[in-house]
Amino acid sequence: NAGVTQTPKFQVLKTGQSMTLQCAQDMNHEYMSWYRQDPGMGLRLIHYSVGAGITDQGEVPNGYNVSRSTTEDFPLRLLSAAPSQTSVYFCASKQFRDRGYTQYFGPGTRLTVL
Amino acid sequence: AQSVSQHNHHVILSEAASLELGCNYSYGGTVNLFWYVQYPGQHLQLLLKYFSGDPLVKGIKGFEAEFIKSKFSFNLRKPSVQWSDTAEYFCAVSSKTSYDKVIFGPGTSLSVIP
Repeated sequence: NAGVTQTPKFQVLKTGQSMTLQCAQDMNHEYMSWYRQDPGMGLRLIHYSVGAGITDQGEVPNGYNVSRSTTEDFPLRLLSAAPSQTSVYFCASKQFRDRGYTQYFGPGTRLTVL
Repeated sequence: AQSVSQHNHHVILSEAASLELGCNYSYGGTVNLFWYVQYPGQHLQLLLKYFSGDPLVKGIKGFEAEFIKSKFSFNLRKPSVQWSDTAEYFCAVSSKTSYDKVIFGPGTSLSVIP
């Protein structure tokens, strides 16, 4: 299994540009989520999904959109990038109904917005 | 509001010193608790987790944590740290009644000096 994969690893955007961060998992996990990591603030939950077709907002959803058309993929869209969205973004997945779950993280995407 | 706090932003220890990292949470209802580690340049990995039962849980690499319900705490300990333990450590919590959201603390950066 490849686990959780993210692309790209690095990205530089100009203010106002749009882009999609890709996340895929091959473990058939129902639950997927996006976090952003900023110095001194830990990981903050952006959006999450408990299954295909179901998404919900986390702690910091503004400026981000998500969709979940398949179990495997959970892309994160920035419609109009802002410098405040400069961060490292992590995607994660876990088995939803198994209480012994472990959340698996992807390698991250480092985004800089100029 | 749900939140997780960690007592120290940055800890510096010499090799063989004992480690204790504090974590407190504010979360309605019963919870699941986690400690994650992020080594330099790598993504997050699960160190240990508490779901129920013995409040003293043992994880990988000699780490353990104690859940004290009355204090809303889940402190991480290791009797003797090594240089390879240099990393960032995150405490996290989720609700037992909803597996949806996993909320992270701001992290503690540990530097171990040889």
